[in-house]
Amino acid sequence: DAGVIQSPRHEVTEMGQEVTLRCKPISGHDYLFWYRQTMMRGLELLIYFNNNVPIDDSGMPEDRFSAKMPNASFSTLKIQPSEPRDSAVYFCASSRQGQGDTQYFGPGTRLTVL
Amino acid sequence: AQSVSQHNHHVILSEAASLELGCNYSYGGTVNLFWYVQYPGQHLQLLLKYFSGDPLVKGIKGFEAEFIKSKFSFNLRKPSVQWSDTAEYFCAVTPHYASKIIFGSGTRLSIRP
Repeated sequence: DAGVIQSPRHEVTEMGQEVTLRCKPISGHDYLFWYRQTMMRGLELLIYFNNNVPIDDSGMPEDRFSAKMPNASFSTLKIQPSEPRDSAVYFCASSRQGQGDTQYFGPGTRLTVL
Repeated sequence: AQSVSQHNHHVILSEAASLELGCNYSYGGTVNLFWYVQYPGQHLQLLLKYFSGDPLVKGIKGFEAEFIKSKFSFNLRKPSVQWSDTAEYFCAVTPHYASKIIFGSGTRLSIRP
């Protein structure tokens, strides 16, 4: 299996622009998680899905952030409009089950907002 | 609310030294416990996990962790570290009833060759 795939690996954009991050989970995994990692705040869970349905989005920082999972093999995290404080590494992870199952992380997208 | 504390922000050791990284969590019920490792420039990978049974868990690369329920702790240990162990280490907890995993703030480990 190729593991969790994320694109792009790096994104540099200007403040106010829309940013879309993409994730393909491991086939057969029913759970998908989006995380943000910064030096100041560490690793934060933004949102997670079970069978394509958002279960907990309490970690989404603002209305500027939105996430979708239109099917079992694809999810997006969108920031509109982007701000410099959104600069971070965004990780996607998937797991076969919830209930504390092992999560497999993607390589991350390093976002820089100028 | 549940939380995970990793008190050591940055640990610096020489090669062959013994390692112990602390992890404490706040939750009174049954939990699943994890240690993840993030090597420089890479994504997080599972090091080891505890779900039930023997509280001493052995993971990859010679790491082990001990779950002490009475202390709400899950400390990570390695008897002799190598330069290649330089990484950031994250402790994580999931209550049995939930899917949401809570990560600690991480401990950066630097090994002097």
